[in-house]
Amino acid sequence: DAGVTQSPTHLIKTRGQQVTLRCSPISGHKSVSWYQQVLGQGPQFIFQYYEKEERGRGNFPDRFSARQFPNYSSELNVNALLLGDSALYLCASSLGSESKAFFGQGTRLTVV
Amino acid sequence: GESVGLHLPTLSVQEGDNSIINCAYSNSASDYFIWYKQESGKGPQFIIDIRSNMDKRQGQRVTVLLNKTVKHLSLQIAATQPGDSAVYFCAETKNDYKLSFGAGTTVTVRA
Repeated sequence: DAGVTQSPTHLIKTRGQQVTLRCSPISGHKSVSWYQQVLGQGPQFIFQYYEKEERGRGNFPDRFSARQFPNYSSELNVNALLLGDSALYLCASSLGSESKAFFGQGTRLTVV
Repeated sequence: GESVGLHLPTLSVQEGDNSIINCAYSNSASDYFIWYKQESGKGPQFIIDIRSNMDKRQGQRVTVLLNKTVKHLSLQIAATQPGDSAVYFCAETKNDYKLSFGAGTTVTVRA
């Protein structure tokens, strides 16, 4: 069975640009969450989507947005990129909105 | 505010020995805890979870202990192997959708 898949695996962007990251959850999972992991730290919660609706949002600016599609895949968008947005962006899927989360391999975003 | 912390940032263990990784949490309302293992360049891998109505749960070579009185969580790995070398995170939540992670413990297994 395929796990959580994220694309792309690596990305380099320039300050001020916009980026879209993609995530496909485990088959049958209806919830997708996004986390940001800065080097040397634990992941920080950004969003959770369940049944295509935003269920929770972490302490991130409005430059960060996300959505979930009818097939439960998800996109994370970040506008007006800053150097500090450089991080590993992780997607996690779970069966429901309240169950254990399984992570993808992440997208490594570098902003220069 | 909520925070999850680990007692030690690094742990060195001899191959074949048992490992104990500790975690202290501050939110007494947390009711669900998960241990993750993260290898270099990969996403966190689910190891084991425990709910607050339990104090012990066992998996394959791993045991999680929860002490709600002192808000302490530990992960025990039996017969540590080289493949166990990784960063280990504990995560907690009180509503099962937002996980709060600590900074992690780096485990190095000596041959």
